[in-house]
Amino acid sequence: DIQMTQSPSSLSASVGDRVTITCRASQTNSIYLNWYQQKPGKAPKLLIYAAASLESGVPSRFSGSGSGTHFTLTISSLQPEDSATYYCQQSYRTPYTFGQGTKLEIK
Amino acid sequence: QVQLVQSGAEVKKPGASVKVSCKTSGYAFTSYGISWVRQAPGQGLEWLGWISVYNGNTDYGQKVQDRVSVTTDTSTSTAYMELRSLRSDDTAVYYCARDNCRGSYCVFDIWGQGTKVTVSS
Repeated sequence: DIQMTQSPSSLSASVGDRVTITCRASQTNSIYLNWYQQKPGKAPKLLIYAAASLESGVPSRFSGSGSGTHFTLTISSLQPEDSATYYCQQSYRTPYTFGQGTKLEIK
Repeated sequence: QVQLVQSGAEVKKPGASVKVSCKTSGYAFTSYGISWVRQAPGQGLEWLGWISVYNGNTDYGQKVQDRVSVTTDTSTSTAYMELRSLRSDDTAVYYCARDNCRGSYCVFDIWGQGTKVTVSS
């Protein structure tokens, strides 16, 4: 199985800050990497697919980059509604696997 | 609009089975796959399995492959996930998600609201 490791596990930042979350794959993953946002009590929501493509309707302050085994999710200017847990997920091969999540809090 | 609506919460005893439904609407059911993902309390996301609605092919995660079945009913545009021989560590929220392959990239682009399954004696 492809193991996905996110860092940090949690972070706290202020409104307007630039935030970066990292995801590493245990095997080369090309660009089959997706990012999801999950708020408490809600289903996950797709933000970024194919490492860098913004899902329709997602604010442009979210962006993704990377290839191979190293990927990042960046929020350019943090907003209060961005408080959530973020997960990376590989769709290169089954079993599809997720990172352990990064909990983002707003100071 | 595109929707996946899941069945309600379940409480089961260890050793029992549970069958969760996922009724879809707003899109061509046979043109997409359906995946099932669960989330134990306070934990991350675990992919359980997938079905091609088009041809019925399935693929399951190793942890549950001996106990899980994913099926569909194209007449009602509904997917089902059955988990047998339930254990306490199967307690989780179970999600269905539309598996949308855009070229060679597959994503879970629409999710159900989740079904809480509690396994307790």
